Amino acid sequence: NAGVTQTPKFQVLKTGQSMTLQCAQDMNHNSMYWYRQDPGMGLRLIYYSASEGTTDKGEVPNGYNVSRLNKREFSLRLESAAPSQTSVYFCASRGQGMNTEAFFGQGTRLTVV
Amino acid sequence: KNQVEQSPQSLIILEGKNCTLQCNYTVSPFSNLRWYKQDTGRGPVSLTIMTFSENTKSNGRYTATLDADTKQSSLHITASQLSDSASYICVVTLFSGGYNKLIFGAGTRLAVHP
Repeated sequence: NAGVTQTPKFQVLKTGQSMTLQCAQDMNHNSMYWYRQDPGMGLRLIYYSASEGTTDKGEVPNGYNVSRLNKREFSLRLESAAPSQTSVYFCASRGQGMNTEAFFGQGTRLTVV
Repeated sequence: KNQVEQSPQSLIILEGKNCTLQCNYTVSPFSNLRWYKQDTGRGPVSLTIMTFSENTKSNGRYTATLDADTKQSSLHITASQLSDSASYICVVTLFSGGYNKLIFGAGTRLAVHP
């Protein structure tokens, strides 16, 4: 029962480098999300995908792009990493319905130097 | 502004003791309220979810209460164990623009000492 799987778990980038964070879920969920978690703050939504083929911006989308490759996979790309993007990133998925549970991955700790 | 505020920011208790964590929210329209537990280095895991018509919900030693009139919720932990050491996050669901948006509190960091 894998749930939501994120890779990599840790990453160090130099300013200006690019990278893609991978996320896959095996629960047949329509909705997938990318959040960032910073000290002293709640998780903030970067992008979400309500269904395969659709993506929408969340509250902090600048500097990021996403791809909903298929129903299982939702990737987050940093085209030109900046120190302000140092954070812990979480992918989540949720089934249909207002009161369904959201399942989170283990997180990716990203440091941009 | 839609916000979720939690108190205290951090808490230390002795093993076996009870504790109560607080959550106040200003989210509207409100769909439901969730409590998550986040162990260090892990993703959040759901403890409870309550709709506006529910006053209380339990999950083992965890009991969540909700007062939709005052927009307050609490999470009570009974007979704490060392494994309860974690951050506890209050999350309120906002229904806006045909989309359910989760508004996260900053969390309460609980440390249970032997």
